[in-house]
Amino acid sequence: ETGVTQSPTHLIKTRGQQVTLRCSSQSGHNTVSWYQQALGQGPQFIFQYYREEENGRGNFPPRFSGLQFPNYSSELNVNALELDDSALYLCASSLAVDRGNEQFFGPGTRLTVL
Amino acid sequence: EDQVTQSPEALRLQEGESSSLNCSYTVSGLRGLFWYRQDPGKGPEFLFTLYSAGEEKEKERLKATLTKKESFLHITAPKPEDSATYLCAVRNDKIIFGKGTRLHILP
Repeated sequence: ETGVTQSPTHLIKTRGQQVTLRCSSQSGHNTVSWYQQALGQGPQFIFQYYREEENGRGNFPPRFSGLQFPNYSSELNVNALELDDSALYLCASSLAVDRGNEQFFGPGTRLTVL
Repeated sequence: EDQVTQSPEALRLQEGESSSLNCSYTVSGLRGLFWYRQDPGKGPEFLFTLYSAGEEKEKERLKATLTKKESFLHITAPKPEDSATYLCAVRNDKIIFGKGTRLHILP
């Protein structure tokens, strides 16, 4: 059983650019959630995907968007990058969306916006 | 407004010195409370899920309890390898994390 993987591990961009982060969910999991974690803070929920459909969104602007693919892997896209977007982006997968099932996190992608 | 507050922000203990971390929450329609451990530069590692008041779960030196307003993570006779940030999260229609408690166990 493979765990959650994310790529790339680190990324440096400049203001105004666009970025795509990728996540492969744990084997058998059909739900993927994305979080933004600023230094010294807890993760903040961006959105969740269940069977390729967005299934909940946090307080993030539309320039944060995502996709989930038939194999349940996922992408997070951020347009028009701002300095405050610098953070650790975490992907988490779980087995089902309706129950309070535990989520398993990947190692994260560290994004730096200059 | 749904909210999760963890205390203390940081805690330093001597090896073997037991203590408790607190997670207070206000959320409508609680569908689970979660505890995670996070090491620097890594993703959170799942520890426990609690669903209803009175529920308790244990794993090695850790024990999590839940009431209607808060949860405690009790650490018994901690070791230096227990040093980490401990995160609490609650779920209704989304998951809300607290800021975490940074725990440092001195040898």
